Amino acid sequence: TQLLEQSPQFLSIQEGENLTVYCNSSSVFSSLQWYRQEPGEGPVLLVTVVTGGEVKKLKRLTFQFGDARKDSSLHITAAQPGDTGLYLCAGETGTASKLTFGTGTRLQVTL
Amino acid sequence: NAGVTQTPKFRILKIGQSMTLQCAQDMNHNYMYWYRQDPGMGLKLIYYSVGAGITDKGEVPNGYNVSRSTTEYFPLRLELAAPSQTSVYFCASTLISPTGELFFGEGSRLTVL
Repeated sequence: TQLLEQSPQFLSIQEGENLTVYCNSSSVFSSLQWYRQEPGEGPVLLVTVVTGGEVKKLKRLTFQFGDARKDSSLHITAAQPGDTGLYLCAGETGTASKLTFGTGTRLQVTL
Repeated sequence: NAGVTQTPKFRILKIGQSMTLQCAQDMNHNYMYWYRQDPGMGLKLIYYSVGAGITDKGEVPNGYNVSRSTTEYFPLRLELAAPSQTSVYFCASTLISPTGELFFGEGSRLTVL
């Protein structure tokens, strides 16, 4: 079983601060996704990265896939209360049609 | 658009009881999945299906069973419920694997007492 470790587990910051969430594994992933989940709802896809070294930007969110495709990061600039939620990375090894989810990072952004 | 629909949303079971969590999708997706999520944690794959008539085990299949007789429906059966099965269960589907977007239902919160 591939293990995806996310850090930090919890993050509480004030509006306007920057933050980075990490997703690390010893396995190589053919693709990696980031999801955000709000309380009482299912996760919603933010981005998919497939190429080592790839960087994708989604407004104030920047996603990076490591060169070796074993790790990824999510950077949020000038966090807002609407960014509050559980952030999940999910990797696919290409050997089967299934995603392995990370342990999750719970972000709280306060005014 | 309905997307992925799960029922029931909440259920309390006694130890040893059985039940079926229902999942339906109207997007004609071949790939469907059942995950469980314990409080504050990520999702663990229980079972998945790559098409009607084909199912396979995920990370944590013990105590569960699935069937996939049609593309639309992917029910999850809990036999002899145990307190360790207290969790939130999510059904998901996707058109393209592995890089396709997973569409999730709203979840089914199950408590076993």
